[in-house]
Amino acid sequence: VQLVESGGGKVQPGGSLRLSCEASGFTFENYEMNWVRQAPGKGLEWVSYISGSGNTRYYADSVRGRFTISRDNAKNSLFLQLSSLRAEDTAVYYCARDFDTLEYWGQGTLVTVSS
Amino acid sequence: EIVMTQTPATLSVSPGERATLSCRASQSVKSNLAWYQHKPGRAPRLLMYGVSLRASGIPARFSGNGSGTDFTLTISSLQSEDFAVYYCQQYDDWPPLTFGGGTKVDIK
Repeated sequence: VQLVESGGGKVQPGGSLRLSCEASGFTFENYEMNWVRQAPGKGLEWVSYISGSGNTRYYADSVRGRFTISRDNAKNSLFLQLSSLRAEDTAVYYCARDFDTLEYWGQGTLVTVSS
Repeated sequence: EIVMTQTPATLSVSPGERATLSCRASQSVKSNLAWYQHKPGRAPRLLMYGVSLRASGIPARFSGNGSGTDFTLTISSLQSEDFAVYYCQQYDDWPPLTFGGGTKVDIK
């Protein structure tokens, strides 16, 4: 199992960014996926969930209405569209596999929101 | 939202000693409790789930206990590779999945 995130970078407040997570080593469409983030000096914070089919999606209150989770099962890829970014969204963003206990994680991609 | 509280924030332990980390939930999570180990620059690693079940490849020196609202993670004899931050996480009532604030285990 391998999860590799990409798409992070520096963006101005109010800007947008799209994160990707490429999955391999398992049948991607059979697994639910999550995004979890860690702000500098802080703990882990769950951000969003998507079912295997993509039909069910959940968001943390802190990102609802600004972030959109999606997936392309044909390309074994998970996405997180970040919009209306704020300084407090600065964090390392991890994709993680499974429904409730997150057994596999990627190495993370850093998003920095700053002017 | 279930709030998870971990104590202490930092635990200083000598190699070979025992470490006990605590996690409390704001309401019962039954046995739906997991622990993760996180080292700087690395992906978090699932240690325990269902309170006391070790994830694949986790050594037997790690053990979990508790039910309802109070839980512990014990590392029976700390090895150098065990110095890290540990998080508890509930999955009884979600969304949202919620994590504790973490306990940093460092070298005494």
